[in-house]
Amino acid sequence: RKEVEQDPGPFNVPEGATVAFNCTYSNSASQSFFWYRQDCRKEPKLLMSVYSSGNEDGRFTAQLNRASQYISLLIRDSKLSDSATYLCVATGTASKLTFGTGTRLQVTL
Amino acid sequence: DGGITQSPKYLFRKEGQNVTLSCEQNLNHDAMYWYRQDPGQGLRLIYYSQIVNDFQKGDIAEGYSVSREKKESFPLTVTSAQKNPTAFYLCATSSWAVHSYNEQFFGPGTRLTVL
Repeated sequence: RKEVEQDPGPFNVPEGATVAFNCTYSNSASQSFFWYRQDCRKEPKLLMSVYSSGNEDGRFTAQLNRASQYISLLIRDSKLSDSATYLCVATGTASKLTFGTGTRLQVTL
Repeated sequence: DGGITQSPKYLFRKEGQNVTLSCEQNLNHDAMYWYRQDPGQGLRLIYYSQIVNDFQKGDIAEGYSVSREKKESFPLTVTSAQKNPTAFYLCATSSWAVHSYNEQFFGPGTRLTVL
């Protein structure tokens, strides 16, 4: 079983739609969680950290469910510019991060 | 202008050659990391360093070497022992603090191709 698992997609949604991604992690000792965004052939960029209480940043909402060991990302009012791959990340042992393989989102007109 | 720089952006290597990828940061971050990314795969950790003159192997260290002589710099050498070096190499930094796990920030990456 992969340490961090994501549905690879692609998720094809029209502009203005709401889309949600889930991600599961296997290490119950993971302390911190993040969502990164990666555009094609570019480096990952931090989208948001995921706190136990959940957090919201504009159109983006992240939630953590420790009991079920999954995190989610909700994007409201999707824009064309949201098209990218979204990487789910959990802390592993020591100071390492474990990255999922990513979920690809394509927003269309 | 603060940030992480990696050079070169593209690198072509002949089989049997060693090459060194540069990573420099002026964010004053303590920890630095090297990852490789292959198509359709997640990022895999090669080496990381939490402090100057110290570094640890990641999950796929074989065929690679690093040094951390300065806080700002963490070069990665891809040796001829690395059997499949063609990949996208990413350097990252974080403001490491004991007992906390902080976000990592990435440089623009180096695309290495073996000819």
